[in-house]
Amino acid sequence: QQQVKQSPQSLIVQKGGISIINCAYENTAFDYFPWYQQFPGKGPALLIAIRPDVSEKKEGRFTISFNKSAKQFSLHIMDSQPGDSATYFCAASIMGNQFYFGTGTSLTVIP
Amino acid sequence: EAQVTQNPRYLITVTGKKLTVTCSQNMNHEYMSWYRQDPGLGLRQIYYSMNVEVTDKGDVPEGYKVSRKEKRNFPLILESPSPNQTSLYFCASTPDREGTDTQYFGPGTRLTVL
Repeated sequence: QQQVKQSPQSLIVQKGGISIINCAYENTAFDYFPWYQQFPGKGPALLIAIRPDVSEKKEGRFTISFNKSAKQFSLHIMDSQPGDSATYFCAASIMGNQFYFGTGTSLTVIP
Repeated sequence: EAQVTQNPRYLITVTGKKLTVTCSQNMNHEYMSWYRQDPGLGLRQIYYSMNVEVTDKGDVPEGYKVSRKEKRNFPLILESPSPNQTSLYFCASTPDREGTDTQYFGPGTRLTVL
């Protein structure tokens, strides 16, 4: 049973466009929601993270939107660049102990 | 250089032959964790450790063992590997006791069990 549901599975965006990846969860005990970026042949790397007491967090071109009542959160990549082409994973955790990851989104940004 | 190292990077073995994948970090991190990554399933946590001698099960612990005798090392042990444990394995560490700081991932170990 997937604790964190992620969509879409793959995404193709034009350079300069906005990439949006969505995640949903059921367990209201989750209190930490990170996003990871993974390039082929590499381990995941933390991109940005949010806690449920805020509705939005922005770091550069990356923004997390968090909807606590809907139990959904999303990653927005503004002005998407070919270098952003990677696999993105959302995750959820309870007090930073157990982590549950989404199934991943393969993003391709075409020039 | 601050890093998480895993060995071996690639391993092909046969069913039932015990193996150990080592993980070591040189950042004095408290929290360490093991994940497996499978196509279409994302990453799934196997075990984690918040401190020396403290380990706990993740989402998919069956068939795996871990130990944390020293702060820097967190080996993953497969006592009797089976083909369904063929996967890409990642070790990760985090500075604080709870993994809510940046998790630093190792380069991965690709395991094939025949």
